[in-house]
Amino acid sequence: DIQMTQSPSSLSASVGDRVTITCRASQSISSYLNWYQQKPGKAPKVLIYSASSLQSGVPSRFSGSGSGTDFTLTISSLQPEDFATYYCQQSYSPPPTFGQGTKVEIK
Amino acid sequence: QVQLQESGPGLVKPSETLSLTCAVSGDSISRYFWSWIRQPPGKGLDWVGYIYYSGSTNYNPSYNPSLKSRVTISVDTSKNQFSLKLSSATAADTAVYYCARHLSVYSYFDFWGQGTLVTVSS
Repeated sequence: DIQMTQSPSSLSASVGDRVTITCRASQSISSYLNWYQQKPGKAPKVLIYSASSLQSGVPSRFSGSGSGTDFTLTISSLQPEDFATYYCQQSYSPPPTFGQGTKVEIK
Repeated sequence: QVQLQESGPGLVKPSETLSLTCAVSGDSISRYFWSWIRQPPGKGLDWVGYIYYSGSTNYNPSYNPSLKSRVTISVDTSKNQFSLKLSSATAADTAVYYCARHLSVYSYFDFWGQGTLVTVSS
């Protein structure tokens, strides 16, 4: 299976901050990398698919980049509703696997 | 708008079978792929398996072998729903179970159910 490793596991940030989360795959996954946001008690919601494509309805402050093994999710200006846990997921090779999550907390 | 809704018992006794159903509305289940994903309390997301409307399935092989042999995912196209059965449940199966849609084997999960907590306890 392809292992996905996110860093950091958690971070504290203030409203308006630029936030970057990294995801590394244990082997090349081309651009088959997706990002999800999960709020407490809710299902995950896809933000970015295919490494850099913004899902319809997702604010443009979210962006994704990378290919191969190293990927980044960036929130350009953190908003109060962005405090959540973020997961990366590879869809290159079954079984689909997720990173362990990055919790974004209020500083 | 596609909607998915999980249903089933919230409490299952150890050694019994955990059974959940996901009802799909706003789309025909006779398209795309349909997965079960679970999340133990306070932990991350684990893919359990998927089914295609034709009945073709794929289960997560990376769990210890006992999970793969205990899992069955089935589809009922007449009711536009699919189901998960997990036999010989243990406390380790306690989790929020989500159903989700994906357009292909290599696609992201674009629609999710709200999730249902299943606790395995006597």
